Amino acid sequence: QKEVEQDPGPLSVPEGAIVSLNCTYSNSAFQYFMWYRQYSRKGPELLMYTYSSGNKEDGRFTAQVDKSSKYISLFIRDSQPSDSATYLCAMSGAGGFKTIFGAGTRLFVKA
Amino acid sequence: DTGVSQNPRHKITKRGQNVTFRCDPISEHNRLYWYRQTLGQGPEFLTYFQNEAQLEKSRLLSDRFSAERPKGSFSTLEIQRTEQGDSAMYLCASTGSLGSRRVGARHTEAFFGQGTRLTVV
Repeated sequence: QKEVEQDPGPLSVPEGAIVSLNCTYSNSAFQYFMWYRQYSRKGPELLMYTYSSGNKEDGRFTAQVDKSSKYISLFIRDSQPSDSATYLCAMSGAGGFKTIFGAGTRLFVKA
Repeated sequence: DTGVSQNPRHKITKRGQNVTFRCDPISEHNRLYWYRQTLGQGPEFLTYFQNEAQLEKSRLLSDRFSAERPKGSFSTLEIQRTEQGDSAMYLCASTGSLGSRRVGARHTEAFFGQGTRLTVV
């Protein structure tokens, strides 16, 4: 079993839809939870960062962490074609190094 | 451009040859990481440096792989006697700076370079 599980998709939605992306994990030592966006042939770009449980909102993006269920989510409101990319969840322990990534979910937003 | 810089962007090499990649992190960042990413997978941790000290290496980093950060600034990743299974995107990331009250948080906010795509033929 992988430490971080993420459905690879692809996920295809119409423009304006609400997108829900999710990851589950097995290591209860994880304390920092991140979402990265990666466009084709580019390096990952940090979108959202959350410490421990709770919600965090930034514009059209909302990250949720439920440590009791070992489950994290990213919601994208009013999705745009420019949101089409691979979304990677990532997490790390107290030291903050050795980040473990999910496999990534490919998202397509159709105009 | 003050982001993380990686060179070369692409490298095609014959099996058995040695290759070396370079990473220039964000100048004030003291931690530097190497990851490997294959198609359809997320980045896999290889190794990380705090300043010039290499503090952890993954089991993925076989004895054919070596990484250095001699002056705590740029880093190199060398692969000796390349194999076809080494074909991947090699990503470098840097984080954080000491002295911040949010050091723990800062060290999770990794900034990635564009990667070096290695193809072994």
